Amino acid sequence: NAGVMQNPRHLVRRRGQEARLRCSPMKGHSHVYWYRQLPEEGLKFMVYLQKENIIDESGMPKERFSAEFPKEGPSILRIQQVVRGDSAAYFCASSAMDAEAFFGQGTRLTVV
Amino acid sequence: AQSVTQPDIHITVSEGASLELRCNYSYGATPYLFWYVQSPGQGLQLLLKYFSGDTLVQGIKGFEAEFKRSQSSFNLRKPSVHWSDAAEYFCAVGAGGSQGNLIFGKGTKLSVKP
Repeated sequence: NAGVMQNPRHLVRRRGQEARLRCSPMKGHSHVYWYRQLPEEGLKFMVYLQKENIIDESGMPKERFSAEFPKEGPSILRIQQVVRGDSAAYFCASSAMDAEAFFGQGTRLTVV
Repeated sequence: AQSVTQPDIHITVSEGASLELRCNYSYGATPYLFWYVQSPGQGLQLLLKYFSGDTLVQGIKGFEAEFKRSQSSFNLRKPSVHWSDAAEYFCAVGAGGSQGNLIFGKGTKLSVKP
């Protein structure tokens, strides 16, 4: 059983471009969570999704950030018009209902 | 507001020595508490968790943690540290509703001296 798969592992974008981060949950998991980790900081919750539904987006910035988890395919975290402050590691986790969350290895976004 | 504090940013211990990493939380109800470990460039791995019951929780890799409600603490311990334990350790509290919606502390980086 493969773990949570995130790709790409490293992503470089110029200011103003769009970044798309993908997360394939573990088999049988229907809950996905996105976190952001800034240097020297812990992980900050961004959004919690179930298939086709956003359950909690209280940690998402109000502008430029969006997330989806379609019926088929991976969850996508999309950042439009990236700025230098978006440079961070973005982690995805998945879980079954009422169960432990497993984390992926993260996508390290660098905005130049 | 819920929060997690890890007072020690960086700790160095000698291989074979005992280890205790501190974690204090602020939460209105009975918390769900977790310890994760992160190796450089990697994701997080769950070491152990506490929901209820016995306040001393055993985890993987020889780690344990003790929940002390009176002190709002959930400290992580290991009796004898191995060089492979060098990593960053994060304490987290469940924000409610699911085990994946967590509030993390800023982490404690553990270095191990030979």
